Amino acid sequence: AQSVTQPDIHITVSEGASLELRCNYSYGATPYLFWYVQSPGQGLQLLLKYFSGDTLVQGIKGFEAEFKRSQSSFNLRKPSVHWSDAAEYFCAVGASSASKIIFGSGTRLSIRP
Amino acid sequence: GAGVSQSPSNKVTEKGKDVELRCDPISGHTALYWYRQRLGQGLEFLIYFQGNSAPDKSGLPSDRFSAERTGESVSTLTIQRTQQEDSAVYLCASSNGQGTSQPQHFGDGTRLSIL
Repeated sequence: AQSVTQPDIHITVSEGASLELRCNYSYGATPYLFWYVQSPGQGLQLLLKYFSGDTLVQGIKGFEAEFKRSQSSFNLRKPSVHWSDAAEYFCAVGASSASKIIFGSGTRLSIRP
Repeated sequence: GAGVSQSPSNKVTEKGKDVELRCDPISGHTALYWYRQRLGQGLEFLIYFQGNSAPDKSGLPSDRFSAERTGESVSTLTIQRTQQEDSAVYLCASSNGQGTSQPQHFGDGTRLSIL
């Protein structure tokens, strides 16, 4: 069965520092992979997605993610975080044959001034 | 254009009452999803509508939960005889296309509190 694991519940980084949020998935075929961001009191916004091709994908707000099949990972990165990046981040996995995507439990990002 | 709209934004009700939550998807989006998000947790899939096909109800937690959608327009999620464990944010999303290849656009959710 599909599953998504985000091992870090809460991460705090200093403003200007680099960021990496971890995501591991379990799926038999090549998955569709997504990262969403949720600001307090709001719905989710798509940051980026991977379907096929180049394993390094660029998203909005300066985020990128790398698909590593051998590690079943799709980690999210940003070279320099801004205070406005403080939010909850969700990794998700889907498939062409599936009608739904499975979300991870989320990682809460706090920014230290 | 307008995004996904959900109403009400907040709902407080007594245990045992029925509640109805509404979702207006983005115009032209054929797919519509309902999720539940309990405090501090991820999204739990509830139900998926795609065009005029039979909905995927595999995520509905009990027969107290039901949802309807007329064509490719508004959807309502109904919870009967509410329980305290139903307290959560209920999120609706729509997408343009079938399956999971198209990104989902989310509403801001309805925060449901059961007293």
